[in-house]
Amino acid sequence: EIVMTQSPATLSVSPGERATLSCRASQSVSSNLAWYQQKPGQAPRLLIYGASTRATGIPARFSGSGSGTEFTLTISSLQSEDCAVYYCQQYNNWPPLTFGGGTKVEIK
Amino acid sequence: QVQLVESGGGLVKPGGSLRLSCAASGFSFSDYFMSWVRQAPGEGLEWVSYMSSGGGAIYYADSVRGRFTISRDNANNSLFLQMDSLRAEDTAVYYCVKAHESSGYGRRTFGSWGQGTLVTVSS
Repeated sequence: EIVMTQSPATLSVSPGERATLSCRASQSVSSNLAWYQQKPGQAPRLLIYGASTRATGIPARFSGSGSGTEFTLTISSLQSEDCAVYYCQQYNNWPPLTFGGGTKVEIK
Repeated sequence: QVQLVESGGGLVKPGGSLRLSCAASGFSFSDYFMSWVRQAPGEGLEWVSYMSSGGGAIYYADSVRGRFTISRDNANNSLFLQMDSLRAEDTAVYYCVKAHESSGYGRRTFGSWGQGTLVTVSS
């Protein structure tokens, strides 16, 4: 089973500043990595797939990068509505499909 | 637009059973792989089970294999999860999830989610 590790657990960022979230895989997942956003009381939403492709309707301030075992989700200019928990998920080696533990992004 | 509506959650005693249903609309249900993903209170996401569009390929997480059974009715655009021998650690919100794409690696990403149904296993 591929283990996904996200860091940091919580990230405090000032409005308009850049937020950088990390996700590491225990072995290579190529570019088969997705990111999801979950706001309080809501279901998750797909943000990024293929490590760097934004899903439909996702603002351009969200970007993904990386391949192999190291991945990054960047929010270029944090907005208040971006406060959420962000999860990465690998889909290269499965089953199982595995998620990271999440990074909570909050406004400083 | 895509709609996924789960039902069937509730309070059940350890060792009991529950059947979750998911009514799908707004897309060609029979073309898409479907999954169940759960989230324990205050915890992260855990993939539970996955079924191919035609039902020929089924996978389960180790934590539920042998106790849970996924099924689908393409004629009625519905997905199901039969949960038997329930344990306290199965307590979670269960989400019905549509694959992002109908082919390729996109079948393994989670494109659309229902609002979830809460399953509580407690005596």
